[in-house]
Amino acid sequence: GQNIDQPTEMTATEGAIVQINCTYQTSGFNGLFWYQQHAGEAPTFLSYNVLDGLEEKGRFSSFLSRSKGYSYLLLKELQMKDSASYLCAVKDSWGKLQFGAGTQVVVTP
Amino acid sequence: EADIYQTPRYLVIGTGKKITLECSQTMGHDKMYWYQQDPGMELHLIHYSYGVNSTEKGDLSSESTVSRIRTEHFPLTLESARPSHTSQYLCASSGQESQNTEAFFGQGTRLTVV
Repeated sequence: GQNIDQPTEMTATEGAIVQINCTYQTSGFNGLFWYQQHAGEAPTFLSYNVLDGLEEKGRFSSFLSRSKGYSYLLLKELQMKDSASYLCAVKDSWGKLQFGAGTQVVVTP
Repeated sequence: EADIYQTPRYLVIGTGKKITLECSQTMGHDKMYWYQQDPGMELHLIHYSYGVNSTEKGDLSSESTVSRIRTEHFPLTLESARPSHTSQYLCASSGQESQNTEAFFGQGTRLTVV
């Protein structure tokens, strides 16, 4: 099975940087994903890592270390609209996709 | 924009009724998933499919059943709805690992059983 851990909540001010960590244990690994979910809405895809290293997409970056079972999502230049839940998800070698419990990010003025 | 659709968006139904939640995707994706999510809580995988005629139960036990007779269609059925089934149900699909492999979500069905 899969075990995915991430912090429950993080608070940061507008314009700041926040790093959301995710650790995982999985039987087989075929990629790690980060999603954003606003309350009452479906998750939307942010980033994907399958090889070690950093992937950058505008204000969002994601890092993966497969040997450590570790990833982080970095949100830069925080905006009020970034207040949302951020979900770490792992796909196993069969394509089964499991989600962590999500990290609620609260951006304050 | 993702081409995955769920109907209905909202459903209020009485206890004991049989219901089917529809999910269709036009991307030719082989993998499809059903998740259950209560407000403010985590996504729980309840069913998934690797392709036609392939379905597996997820890690959260569910009284629902699914079928995958066609690639594009992955309906979820509750034979006898109960108030404990009240939740949001999200369908997702993803393609081959050799392609851009992220899962795309439908808008969800918010089910209320009274």
